[in-house]
Amino acid sequence: QKEVEQNSGPLSVPEGAIASLNCTYSDRGSQSFFWYRQYSGKSPELIMSIYSNGDKEDGRFTAQLNKASQYVSLLIRDSQPSDSATYLCAVATGGFKTIFGAGTRLFVKA
Amino acid sequence: DGGITQSPKYLFRKEGQNVTLSCEQNLNHDAMYWYRQDPGQGLRLIYYSQIVNDFQKGDIAEGYSVSREKKESFPLTVTSAQKNPTAFYLCASSIESRKTDTQYFGPGTRLTVL
Repeated sequence: QKEVEQNSGPLSVPEGAIASLNCTYSDRGSQSFFWYRQYSGKSPELIMSIYSNGDKEDGRFTAQLNKASQYVSLLIRDSQPSDSATYLCAVATGGFKTIFGAGTRLFVKA
Repeated sequence: DGGITQSPKYLFRKEGQNVTLSCEQNLNHDAMYWYRQDPGQGLRLIYYSQIVNDFQKGDIAEGYSVSREKKESFPLTVTSAQKNPTAFYLCASSIESRKTDTQYFGPGTRLTVL
C-alpha cells in the first residue's frame, strides 16, 4: 500500500515566524511532489510542485525534497494569519495516480 | 476565464436515490479525476479518465459510476449502492494523460444523505 504520511497537527506558529511542514512517502519510485493549501470548506489549491532533490523557492514558500530519505517539506517564511489552513502533501507515483496525505492543520497566531 | 466548475455546491440525497454530480472544465485538459474527502482524511480516488470514452476505477469505485462522452465533462453518479455517501466530492483535471501531472481542482460538491 503506497502511503503519504503527514503530522495532522495542529501546528501553531506566531505571526512572522517560519512554519515547517513535513511529509514522508513510501514509494521510492515516486516522481513528482506537490503541496496544496486547503481552507476550511474549500477545495485544494496548488502552492508548489517539486521534481528533483533540493530546494525550490517561490516567494515566501520553499519546498524541499530528499528522495533518499523519502521526505518532502514545505517552509513558509514570515507566516501570516491568512496562511492558516490545512496543507496537503501529494505524491505522484509514476502511474496515473497521485496519493494525498491527510494534511497538516496550520494556525498562525496574530 | 479558464477553470473547473462543479455543480451543485450542496446536494442532499434521500436513502435509495441516485444523484449525479457535474464537473466541467474548459482548460483543454486530457485527464480528469474524482476524489472523495472525509473529515480528517486525505483525498481518495474514485475514478479517473485519461481520454474521452475511457475511464478507470480508483481505490473506492464501488457504488459510483462515471462517463466521459466529452473532453470537457466528467459527471459522477453516486448510486444507492454507495452505503455512506456523505462527503465532500472534488473533481480535478490535469494537462496530459501520459504522465502524472499537476492536478487542478474544482470548488467541490458537498453531498449529504438525509
